[in-house]
Amino acid sequence: QKEVEQDPGPLSVPEGAIVSLNCTYSNSAFQYFMWYRQYSRKGPELLMYTYSSGNKEDGRFTAQVDKSSKYISLFIRDSQPSDSATYLCAMSLLYNTDKLIFGTGTRLQVFP
Amino acid sequence: GAGVSQSPSNKVTEKGKDVELRCDPISGHTALYWYRQRLGQGLEFLIYFQGNSAPDKSGLPSDRFSAERTGESVSTLTIQRTQQEDSAVYLCASIRGTSAPGEQFFGPGTRLTVL
Repeated sequence: QKEVEQDPGPLSVPEGAIVSLNCTYSNSAFQYFMWYRQYSRKGPELLMYTYSSGNKEDGRFTAQVDKSSKYISLFIRDSQPSDSATYLCAMSLLYNTDKLIFGTGTRLQVFP
Repeated sequence: GAGVSQSPSNKVTEKGKDVELRCDPISGHTALYWYRQRLGQGLEFLIYFQGNSAPDKSGLPSDRFSAERTGESVSTLTIQRTQQEDSAVYLCASIRGTSAPGEQFFGPGTRLTVL
């Protein structure tokens, strides 16, 4: 069993839809939870991070962490074609310098 | 430079040959990471440098893989006697001391194909 599980998709939605992306994990020691976005042939870029359980909102993006269920989510409101990318969840044990454990990524396509 | 750069962007090699991949981190970034991304897979951690020492090299898959870093600058990842299963995108990332948790800045990667 992988430490982090993520549905690879692809997920195809119309412009304006609400998108829900999810990951589950097995290591209860993870403390920091990140969402990265990766465009084709590019390196990943950090979208949001959350510490422990709770919600965090940034514009159209909301990240949720439920440590009791070992489940994290990213919601995208009013999705745009420019949101079309692969979304990777990542987790770490320690602050700042710790290695990241990634999910496989979910490929999202938003069509006009 | 403005971001993390990696070279070459693409490398095609024959099975059994050695390859060297290069990473130039963002100036002033103290820590550097190498990851591997196989087709359809997530990123897989290989090695982490703090300065020129490697406190965590637990992800290196075999002794054919090695890496070094010069101070807080360039890093090279060397794969000896390449195998077809080494085909992947090799990504490098760096962080500064005050980075937010998980805020690793990634390069575009080197796409390695072993024939």
